[in-house]
Amino acid sequence: DVKVTQSSRYLVKRTGEKVFLECVQDMDHENMFWYRQDPGLGLRLIYFSYDVKMKEKGDIPEGYSVSREKKERFSLILESASTNQTSMYLCASSPPYSRLSSGNTIYFGEGSWLTVV
Amino acid sequence: GIQVEQSPPDLILQEGANSTLRCNFSDSVNNLQWFHQNPWGQLINLFYIPSGTKQNGRLSATTVATERYSLLYISSSQTTDSGVYFCRGGSQGNLIFGKGTKLSVKP
Repeated sequence: DVKVTQSSRYLVKRTGEKVFLECVQDMDHENMFWYRQDPGLGLRLIYFSYDVKMKEKGDIPEGYSVSREKKERFSLILESASTNQTSMYLCASSPPYSRLSSGNTIYFGEGSWLTVV
Repeated sequence: GIQVEQSPPDLILQEGANSTLRCNFSDSVNNLQWFHQNPWGQLINLFYIPSGTKQNGRLSATTVATERYSLLYISSSQTTDSGVYFCRGGSQGNLIFGKGTKLSVKP
């Protein structure tokens, strides 16, 4: 069974702390994504990566950075957490378009709920 | 839990044609979004539309929450519209993606 695993489901951090959110996928996917989900705003893309050591900014990259040292792992980093980063963070992975089919598209982790106090 | 069904699963269009994609829910939703996964795999937010109708260029979406469905309209399709279209809905804390509609627009 395919799987995207986010290391932490619930975290509480203090303002100014450095926060790491880890995501691992076991499908050998090239593409990986980090989103945040906020009430009334839906899902917004923070960063994505289409290959090891490659990254691209999404819609709201400010205050975040990412790391992709290995194909299966994509980390989201909050260098100095702030209260407006309290949110649910969702990781996803997908194959490249050439291998997409109606039954093989994008896969999401269960989400990480982060509270910054 | 809530079930999300998208139709059709696959769609092939000639450039310039119009199309309607549908998303049905097994229960009422108060949070619905449409996404386009482009050929590079990036998931792009198209509409956040828990109810009513919105339009953005050649795309528009209508959600009838009381009847548990949402429609995405694509008019005068272009090859750049190709990709997979997802709807995602539910209630806060329990949001489910549909399996997607793969759209191929031929020149």
